Amino acid sequence: GENVEQHPSTLSVQEGDSAVIKCTYSDSASNYFPWYKQELGKRPQLIIDIRSNVGEKKDQRIAVTLNKTAKHFSLHITETQPEDSAVYFCAASNRGSTLGRLYFGRGTQLTVWP
Amino acid sequence: DTAVSQTPKYLVTQMGNDKSIKCEQNLGHDTMYWYKQDSKKFLKIMFSYNNKELIINETVPNRFSPKSPDKAHLNLHINSLELGDSAVYFCASSHSDRGTAGIQYFGAGTRLSVL
Repeated sequence: GENVEQHPSTLSVQEGDSAVIKCTYSDSASNYFPWYKQELGKRPQLIIDIRSNVGEKKDQRIAVTLNKTAKHFSLHITETQPEDSAVYFCAASNRGSTLGRLYFGRGTQLTVWP
Repeated sequence: DTAVSQTPKYLVTQMGNDKSIKCEQNLGHDTMYWYKQDSKKFLKIMFSYNNKELIINETVPNRFSPKSPDKAHLNLHINSLELGDSAVYFCASSHSDRGTAGIQYFGAGTRLSVL
């Protein structure tokens, strides 16, 4: 089955700096890569996703890049703010298999210091 | 209106007891999931149902039994609770379109503490 590795497990940045979280996956059949944000005590919520036919996607301060050849994808957050502090999960899925089961990374605790 | 709702939000119980967690979604989705999130925050899938049919059944002790009475509901019953069952349990749902699943929406979670 799919194996998703996520690094780093913790990340501390100063407000205004950029943060990058990286993930690798093992199954070349994976074609959908969502990122979820989980604030303390809350539910995971989708913040951005990318499909395998796209190399990069951007939504305001958040961007995701995908390198299918190397089987890795990354989340980039620019101009970080204290409210970006949360646990971020990457995931990979083969949307045509097992009805889109998500394989999650182990999460990155991002802390943004004011 | 809450899209994916779970009850109860908190559950404190003694070892050996049997308990249930309920999940309902009003998004019209046809696929529902149960995840377990341990103290290290790892999200581990337990079960998934599509149109009331079990499609994912991970290596979960058979003390855990899911039940899906209809597409909008997925309940989780746990027998003989153990200390290691303490975790946050998340329900999620998604819409499958021609065999591919869409975005998963999570419930608020049920924090289970076994004493």
